[in-house]
Amino acid sequence: TQLLEQSPQFLSIQEGENLTVYCNSSSVFSSLQWYRQEPGEGPVLLVTVVTGGEVKKLKRLTFQFGDARKDSSLHITAAQPGDTGLYLCAGPDSGTYKYIFGTGTRLKVLA
Amino acid sequence: DTGVSQNPRHKITKRGQNVTFRCDPISEHNRLYWYRQTLGQGPEFLTYFQNEAQLEKSRLLSDRFSAERPKGSFSTLEIQRTEQGDSAMYLCASSPALTSTYEQYFGPGTRLTVT
Repeated sequence: TQLLEQSPQFLSIQEGENLTVYCNSSSVFSSLQWYRQEPGEGPVLLVTVVTGGEVKKLKRLTFQFGDARKDSSLHITAAQPGDTGLYLCAGPDSGTYKYIFGTGTRLKVLA
Repeated sequence: DTGVSQNPRHKITKRGQNVTFRCDPISEHNRLYWYRQTLGQGPEFLTYFQNEAQLEKSRLLSDRFSAERPKGSFSTLEIQRTEQGDSAMYLCASSPALTSTYEQYFGPGTRLTVT
């Protein structure tokens, strides 16, 4: 089974600051998804990246897929308290029907 | 499109009892997944259905766990002889048939507490 490691595990920042969350694997993924999860709720899909080197933007969020499709990053510009949550990267496990989630990054944005 | 629904939202049970959770996926999504999530961790894959066929099971899914999707629509997850270590959030997700990228659409989860 492929593994996805996220860093940092926890992040507490002030409103207006920028941040980057990393998702790394030693294996190639055909695609990666990013989700945000709030307490007591299921994860909500933010974006899918498919092509190596792909960059996607969602308002203040910028997602990048590594050239070798083994890693991805999420950059948030001018973070707001509403960005607080657990950020998860995930993707299909090659050769199986499993779907693998990263270890998660818990973000807290202070007003 | 009403989204993925799960029932119940919360379940408190005594150790040794059996529990069953239900998941109603987004209509026309033929892929259905079950996950377990403990506090502060990412969801752990439990099992996958394509229509009514259970095509993948994690080793996390011990003999006490069983899942069904009898008509390819809703699914149930049963835990027999619950243990305190089963306390977790159980999440269900569905995915459309024609996507090659496997995006998941999640329900709100069922939080199980075993006392």
